[in-house]
Amino acid sequence: EIVMTQSPGTLSLSPGQRATLSCRASQRISSYLAWYQQKPGQAPRLLIYDASYRAPGIPARFSGSGSGTDFTLTVSSLEPEDFAVYYCQQRSKWPLTFGGGTKVE
Amino acid sequence: EVQLVESGGGLVQPGGSLRLSCAASEFTFNNYAMTWIRQAPGKGLEWVSVLSSGGDNTYYTDSVKGRFTISRDNSKNTLFLQMNNLRVDDTAVYYCAREAGYGGHSYQWYFDLWGRGTLVTVSS
Repeated sequence: EIVMTQSPGTLSLSPGQRATLSCRASQRISSYLAWYQQKPGQAPRLLIYDASYRAPGIPARFSGSGSGTDFTLTVSSLEPEDFAVYYCQQRSKWPLTFGGGTKVE
Repeated sequence: EVQLVESGGGLVQPGGSLRLSCAASEFTFNNYAMTWIRQAPGKGLEWVSVLSSGGDNTYYTDSVKGRFTISRDNSKNTLFLQMNNLRVDDTAVYYCAREAGYGGHSYQWYFDLWGRGTLVTVSS
């Protein structure tokens, strides 16, 4: 099983600041990575797929990068609605696996 | 409105069974692969199972193999998860979700539409 490790566990920032979230895979996964956002009491929302492609309707302040084992989600300037938990997910090998999440507070 | 709505959760004793349903609306359900993903209280996301659009290919995470069965009725736009021999560690909110379809004729296993989830509690 590919283990996905996210860091940091919690990121304390203010609106307008830049958020940089990391996700590391235990083995190479090419660019087969997605990022999701989850707010309390809500289902996750797909933000980024294939490491760097924004899903339809996702604002341009969200960007993804990386390949192989190391990936980054960047929020260029945090809006109040961006404070949430973010998960990465690999689809390179079964079983599909998620990281443990990064809370942006 | 394009949506997924789960139902069928509840409280069940260890060793018991439940059948979850996921009703799809306002999209061509039989064109999409579907999945179940769960989230234990206060924890992260865990993928459970996927099913191809035609219902002929399935995958399961190891911890549910032999106990859970994913299926679909494309005539009723509904996805199911039959859960047998439930364990305490199966307690979670269960989400159904749609494979995004970005890969055209090949699945990419990213999920762009999620339901609100249904809570399954396994406890004596």
